[in-house]
Amino acid sequence: ETGVTQTPRHLVMGMTNKKSLKCEQHLGHNAMYWYKQSAKKPLELMFVYNFKEQTENNSVPSRFSPECPNSSHLFLHLHTLQPEDSALYLCASTSNPLRDGNTEAFFGQGTRLTVV
Amino acid sequence: QKEVEQDPGPLSVPEGAIVSLNCTYSNSAFQYFMWYRQYSRKGPELLMYTYSSGNKEDGRFTAQVDKSSKYISLFIRDSQPSDSATYLCAMMKGNEKLTFGTGTRLTIIP
Repeated sequence: ETGVTQTPRHLVMGMTNKKSLKCEQHLGHNAMYWYKQSAKKPLELMFVYNFKEQTENNSVPSRFSPECPNSSHLFLHLHTLQPEDSALYLCASTSNPLRDGNTEAFFGQGTRLTVV
Repeated sequence: QKEVEQDPGPLSVPEGAIVSLNCTYSNSAFQYFMWYRQYSRKGPELLMYTYSSGNKEDGRFTAQVDKSSKYISLFIRDSQPSDSATYLCAMMKGNEKLTFGTGTRLTIIP
């Protein structure tokens, strides 16, 4: 295991539901990330948190709402999603914000989300 | 034009063959080049990391970067069935963002 745990592993939700994805890292890292992985598309960076502060929102629709209560936990709150939001959502962490020479991101196993 | 281009495959080769995986990119500001391996139902994990141009070898794996051609490669020698996975290239300019390719799905046939 990488030290980054995501729950649930699978989630099926209707377009009117509200659900949350959870990520927890046990590595003592200070930066956490949400990525979206769709078939035959590159990983898309959604949000970045450094030292609990959001430092990047990559033009993500407001139906996705992140929360980072502390450096070890990251949530992604979902509401009124669309079928095209179905994808694998990956959480990652790095010891410090990605910068010169610090290039290893540790990923969780992902949450496979299906919106029906 | 995408910043990073990677053939999604799938690519199937017999066990023991040499595998060549490639990415091209358009942004000359990229300085750090990585290969991540992603097994089915798992998250990506860092496999190789190279700074600027040159080669790096780690066991059966060799990463090459040619900045003049904006082209990076990953070679796998003596490929094993356990190498079957999706391989993603990733690049960074020195800020907080990793830019990924689509990933190439590789199957090693016993």
